[in-house]
Amino acid sequence: GEDVEQSLFLSVREGDSSVINCTYTDSSSTYLYWYKQEPGAGLQLLTYIFSNMDMKQDQRLTVLLNKKDKHLSLRIADTQTGDSAIYFCAESFNKLIFGAGTRLAVHP
Amino acid sequence: DAMVIQNPRYQVTQFGKPVTLSCSQTLNHNVMYWYQQKSSQAPKLLFHYYDKDFNNEADTPDNFQSRRPNTSFCFLDIRSPGLGDAAMYLCATSRELTDYTDTQYFGPGTRLTVL
Repeated sequence: GEDVEQSLFLSVREGDSSVINCTYTDSSSTYLYWYKQEPGAGLQLLTYIFSNMDMKQDQRLTVLLNKKDKHLSLRIADTQTGDSAIYFCAESFNKLIFGAGTRLAVHP
Repeated sequence: DAMVIQNPRYQVTQFGKPVTLSCSQTLNHNVMYWYQQKSSQAPKLLFHYYDKDFNNEADTPDNFQSRRPNTSFCFLDIRSPGLGDAAMYLCATSRELTDYTDTQYFGPGTRLTVL
């Protein structure tokens, strides 16, 4: 069945890089997404990657996709306090399947 | 500019008292979705509309209904809210429905409390 898994919590120091990992089960997923959710707010699309790509970079964000291992990662360079939020990985397979989210805490 | 708008942002209702949540969009997208997100959990799709065609997820309780009177608006009706229905309800839109690969844009959500 469809399943997307993420670690639940990540703590980093301001200015360091953050790496949030995700594994998914459906190899036929066409797109994989990263969404950000700030406290009390909806989901904001951060970036997405097409399944035939290995990497996508967008300013401070780098997405890496390993299709063989069904592993997706989001790297945030120079992490700031404003990056503190919950980050959801999602795969598209007939519908969006979300992971449970990784809570990123950024401390000085 | 807000593209997907949800009202109200916070809703309190009593056990068993019907409640309606509202979503509107300025994107002119064909597809509108409703998700339920409980605390510390992933958003869960309840149903979606493609234009006027309604598509219910198999495990969505009958207690949840939806209406889409026009392209811009979509409503979520909870006929008899139970304590277990307390959650954040997220509305989303996408331009087309092509194996769900079209990017979905989310509203800010309505947090429902059931007393």
